[in-house]
Amino acid sequence: ETGVTQTPRHLVMGMTNKKSLKCEQHLGHNAMYWYKQSAKKPLELMFVYSLEERVENNSVPSRFSPECPNSSHLFLHLHTLQPEDSALYLCASSPTGYGYSPLHFGNGTRLTVT
Amino acid sequence: QQQVKQSPQSLIVQKGGIPIINCAYENTAFDYFPWYQQFPGKGPALLIAIRPDVSEKKEGRFTISFNKSAKQFSLHIMDSQPGDSATYFCAALQGGSEKLVFGKGTKLTVNP
Repeated sequence: ETGVTQTPRHLVMGMTNKKSLKCEQHLGHNAMYWYKQSAKKPLELMFVYSLEERVENNSVPSRFSPECPNSSHLFLHLHTLQPEDSALYLCASSPTGYGYSPLHFGNGTRLTVT
Repeated sequence: QQQVKQSPQSLIVQKGGIPIINCAYENTAFDYFPWYQQFPGKGPALLIAIRPDVSEKKEGRFTISFNKSAKQFSLHIMDSQPGDSATYFCAALQGGSEKLVFGKGTKLTVNP
């Protein structure tokens, strides 16, 4: 496996469910990110981890909870979501946590909240 | 001030045409301007980037033009091909920040 891998590719969950999104990077990068992509809106940065420490929490509701156990893995734990949380969730990595480093994105998890 | 305004929202050209996508910003502290390309079902990928100390950068058929005084930058695709059909995002970064600010994207369709 190379690059950034996200699982699952699609997820449908009810508003009372708890689920997790998984991301794994095989690039040896030190920073990992979660982005939310909604139609006709800019990509929204949710969380940044650099060397496994969270350095950015972009005013994201507490129903989204990130976890970064090591520099290769990133999780996004979801609970009691709202229908407006339906979107494509993209994981990315970069060599460093500085914005000049190119972002390498996974192919995303398409989340539908019913 | 933290926004990047991208236009048009969608663009259709014929093969061989030169699509142009424009972005504008207000924050004069932005000092790095990348473009990302996203194919359906895939994540975005870095295409080309520019710093404000140059007015133009070319990589293959892709060119960024940068106008610092107007606070605008644009992407030109020379001799466009159907394989260039994708959504293109401009972005901007303020020095010292980890946070790229993205435009809303332009969906480009290149007809054969």
